[in-house]
Amino acid sequence: QQPVQSPQAVILREGEDAVINCSSSKALYSVHWYRQKHGEAPVFLMILLKGGEQKGHEKISASFNEKKQQSSLYLTASQLSYSGTYFCGTPTRTSSNTGKLIFGQGTTLQVKP
Amino acid sequence: NAGVTQTPKFQVLKTGQSMTLQCAQDMNHNSMYWYRQDPGMGLRLIYYSASEGTTDKGEVPNGYNVSRLNKREFSLRLESAAPSQTSVYFCASRIGSDQPQHFGDGTRLSIL
Repeated sequence: QQPVQSPQAVILREGEDAVINCSSSKALYSVHWYRQKHGEAPVFLMILLKGGEQKGHEKISASFNEKKQQSSLYLTASQLSYSGTYFCGTPTRTSSNTGKLIFGQGTTLQVKP
Repeated sequence: NAGVTQTPKFQVLKTGQSMTLQCAQDMNHNSMYWYRQDPGMGLRLIYYSASEGTTDKGEVPNGYNVSRLNKREFSLRLESAAPSQTSVYFCASRIGSDQPQHFGDGTRLSIL
């Protein structure tokens, strides 16, 4: 079952912050985050595992709340290079054998000068 | 180090034609995936292969077949192409659970 991302689109000015949410109706074992620039392949950002671990990549960090079955991606002091579509992916099983990875519909982020 | 290589990059087909999309990875990954991407729909999983010799259906398998030829190669076949299969197709691979997926550059397929 596809995770739900919100918002669908965000427009920012350079230096502003943004939060992208990813929620699931099923219990989650882990959450994966990817970024895709226009016309390119998705690129891995980070994986969050059970335990509420917060991870970072450049000035992008994420949290994972397994009780609420959701993850949030935080983009701090956004740069033009952050523009793109962000996808969260969740495995279809809750065990360590994660099997298939199902992606949300994506959140398009546009950073303007 | 090429990573995940997809061929062809672009293709135009007529309705009813058949075609095989090729994917190969040189990272010794166990799992391989085929996704399609349509505007506003995100990445939808077509088929998946956990290891050589095994395949499993994803969210949208109808109209497609796959073959895991060996550990490196995972092909996607359209037996009788339909306009609804016009999309960008991505192949991906990863070493195992909770590891990053590496994507190919995609195949842009148009069916007239």
